[in-house]
Amino acid sequence: EAGVAQSPRYKIIEKRQSVAFWCNPISGHATLYWYQQILGQGPKLLIQFQNNGVVDDSQLPKDRFSAERLKGVDSTLKIQPAKLEDSAVYLCASSSPRGGKGNAEAFFGQGTRLTVV
Amino acid sequence: GIQVEQSPPDLILQEGANSTLRCNFSDSVNNLQWFHQNPWGQLINLFYIPSGTKQNGRLSATTVATERYSLLYISSSQTTDSGVYFCAVYSGGYQKVTFGTGTKLQVIP
Repeated sequence: EAGVAQSPRYKIIEKRQSVAFWCNPISGHATLYWYQQILGQGPKLLIQFQNNGVVDDSQLPKDRFSAERLKGVDSTLKIQPAKLEDSAVYLCASSSPRGGKGNAEAFFGQGTRLTVV
Repeated sequence: GIQVEQSPPDLILQEGANSTLRCNFSDSVNNLQWFHQNPWGQLINLFYIPSGTKQNGRLSATTVATERYSLLYISSSQTTDSGVYFCAVYSGGYQKVTFGTGTKLQVIP
């Protein structure tokens, strides 16, 4: 079974530029999460989707971050404009097979390492 | 929101030694998961354990949900066990996943 796919793996941009990350979850998973992990810290939830609806975006800096999940499958996370403090690894995870078959164990992609200079 | 604290924050072991990592959480949870983050940043699932004890090779985990803690045991540690260990708790109707502060483990030969 294929895991969670993310791209790109690495990205370097200048401050005030925009950037987008893409995530393809495990097939059949209803829940999709985006996390931000700053060096030396644990992952912090940015946004959680259930199918194509947002169920938690309380920690998403909405003035510069946006996310969407098209047709309840793939998702994109965008930052515009980027700041130096956005340098981090952005992790995507998915869980909860549709139909309730199986548990809610989350599986993570390899992440996108963003450097803002 | 729910708080998740892990201890110790840092741990250095001689190869072959045993260790216990602890995860405390501030409120009732639906489930709990342990991860190993390797030096390349990949989060690897170790255990998905709402309660009781599970074992997988040299690793085992115990969650006591009523007392709001979980323990991860590593026996006969190897250098490949190095990395950061996170616990994460699931809470709420939509299974929000909140990560702990992490334990950084270094196993030296």
